[in-house]
Amino acid sequence: TQLLEQSPQFLSIQEGENLTVYCNSSSVFSSLQWYRQEPGEGPVLLVTVVTGGEVKKLKRLTFQFGDARKDSSLHITAAQPGDTGLYLCAGALENAGGTSYGKLTFGQGTILTVHP
Amino acid sequence: NAGVMQNPRHLVRRRGQEARLRCSPMKGHSHVYWYRQLPEEGLKFMVYLQKENIIDESGMPKERFSAEFPKEGPSILRIQQVVRGDSAAYFCASSRGQGLPGAFFGQGTRLTVV
Repeated sequence: TQLLEQSPQFLSIQEGENLTVYCNSSSVFSSLQWYRQEPGEGPVLLVTVVTGGEVKKLKRLTFQFGDARKDSSLHITAAQPGDTGLYLCAGALENAGGTSYGKLTFGQGTILTVHP
Repeated sequence: NAGVMQNPRHLVRRRGQEARLRCSPMKGHSHVYWYRQLPEEGLKFMVYLQKENIIDESGMPKERFSAEFPKEGPSILRIQQVVRGDSAAYFCASSRGQGLPGAFFGQGTRLTVV
């Protein structure tokens, strides 16, 4: 059972379209990060959200943290071929002993392909 | 600012040999985390270290794997007597401290066991 369910697993769209990637869990996270990973490289941090209901924007990317801190979404407006890549959500679980923000639970990833 | 530095980028070992993977955290970061990414699988947490201390090794295989983060020098992930199933990408991440969110990853070491 995957603790952090990410969907869709694959997404193939045309340039200019909008898209949304979702991460869902039954667990509460102290923080949630979105990364992008290119083949042969490490994950690159895009954003960190920590407050329930928080919305962050990074150019054409909008990230939202659910009110209950159990889910998150990444929305890309007017996708471009340069957005093609693997997108990963990762959360730091909240626990009674204190949160280790670097101990992350990763979703399975979304492979996005944007066609010109 | 230099990011998280891992070396080597690629490592080939024969079955039964030892593999040593190194990680230098970002400047100002005192917490190091190791992750493994098996082919066709997601990133899995292995171990969390601070200087001279292993904080959480709940993701480490019980045998052949060990990690350290000495007072001086990089963090080391050591795999003894490697087997083909150890072939994977190993990533190191660092963060500033336990109370601060955000972890930054290195480029990884790709271990191939032949």
